[in-house]
Amino acid sequence: EVQLVESGGGLVQPGGSLRLSCAASGFTFSSYSMNWVRQAPGKGLEWVSYISSSSSTIYYADSVKGRFTISRDNAKNSLYLQMNSLRAEDTAVYYCASLAYVVNAFDIWGQGTMVTVSS
Amino acid sequence: DIQMTQSPSSLSASVGDRVTITCQASQDISNYLNWYQQKPGKAPKLLIYDASNLETGVPSRFSGSGSGTDFTFTISSLQPEDIATYYCQQYDNLPRFTFGPGTKVDIK
Repeated sequence: EVQLVESGGGLVQPGGSLRLSCAASGFTFSSYSMNWVRQAPGKGLEWVSYISSSSSTIYYADSVKGRFTISRDNAKNSLYLQMNSLRAEDTAVYYCASLAYVVNAFDIWGQGTMVTVSS
Repeated sequence: DIQMTQSPSSLSASVGDRVTITCQASQDISNYLNWYQQKPGKAPKLLIYDASNLETGVPSRFSGSGSGTDFTFTISSLQPEDIATYYCQQYDNLPRFTFGPGTKVDIK
């Protein structure tokens, strides 16, 4: 079964750090570009970051640039998001999503992990 | 940056009704537009890619059209399981992506 499973969410104080993980299974993870997308409570979807299959190309939304770092380990079929200097406005469900191989759309999504930034 | 708007922000329709959602881009994005469905508490699901192509396994009552700045998403006959929020997504400036604000669809 094709699957993405996020983990690592939780409650963190403003200014703190958190590392999210996304475990892939059922497909050739190393061939796919990956993304993080977040959704604040009751709000819409916001693209956060992109990483190419070989990690050679990385992009961030302006809202997280300089604070978040995306990475991957193809040997472990895993995607990561290191989040530093967290702010209240980073509170959201964070989804990992794969970029489809032949079309520019997110075809596989994880179930999401909740990050709450609060004192 | 390209901005996306959707209308309406919410709608209520009866089972069997035809439902239409529009998405507008702030500049020409050709056909670089996708549509997603998100049910409450669930991850989004890809329905339409490249403005008008139906993702494999998605019911044919869903369709999309448009190019340039104006796009339309249609449910030809609304079903109870279609209750969800629908988002458009543009990818004119790869690999950056922008989602529209969403349209919530309810049953009347």
